[in-house]
Amino acid sequence: GAVVSQHPSRVICKSGTSVKIECRSLDFQATTMFWYRQFPKKSLMLMATSNEGSKATYEQGVEKDKFLINHASLTLSTLTVTSAHPEDSSFYICSAREGWQTTEAFFGQGTRLTVV
Amino acid sequence: AQTVTQSQPEMSVQEAETVTLSCTYDTSESDYYLFWYKQPPSRQMILVIRQEAYKQQNATENRFSVNFQKAAKSFSLKISDSQLGDAAMYFCALLQGGSEKLVFGKGMKLTVNP
Repeated sequence: GAVVSQHPSRVICKSGTSVKIECRSLDFQATTMFWYRQFPKKSLMLMATSNEGSKATYEQGVEKDKFLINHASLTLSTLTVTSAHPEDSSFYICSAREGWQTTEAFFGQGTRLTVV
Repeated sequence: AQTVTQSQPEMSVQEAETVTLSCTYDTSESDYYLFWYKQPPSRQMILVIRQEAYKQQNATENRFSVNFQKAAKSFSLKISDSQLGDAAMYFCALLQGGSEKLVFGKGMKLTVNP
């Protein structure tokens, strides 16, 4: 299957700082990328959907000013957690879909964010 | 609204035995797709198997097969000859045709005992 690379896999940052997470599709062009948050022993919660060249569509309850998503190219989307707080500590996962008609989404390895 | 329900939070199976994971869903659409994803301790989400709603034949991938009961809106996963590497969280997911968003169930933790 196609490969989605997410970086970094782990990051620790101080409260009040910002941290950027990258999601790259390595061998396909990702028309649509998704960002999820996963709490311990819980399911994936969709945060936002981004289409290349367009503004991201955020799910209800997700602060778009806090979780900045950029999908500037067909192979790269970034999630920036701004002014991070300890409650933002979580596991963040991206996924990508190739083309408008495909149904399979490929997932990155996830990023463990710890805010201290 | 579309929903996916996995009512069993945990299951265990002996190595080499067969186990069935249950999933029910609800959607008003006739065009949709169902998936089972595996999330091992590494946290990498891996697609196990997929089923198109318009296909009557149950999907099969090696030791993994599904029992798709469209009228009952049930989509169970059978793992045959369970292996230690099958131990993981398993998520059932639904994608409505024309929608971008996967809807996940809460997941089920599978333990494989040697």
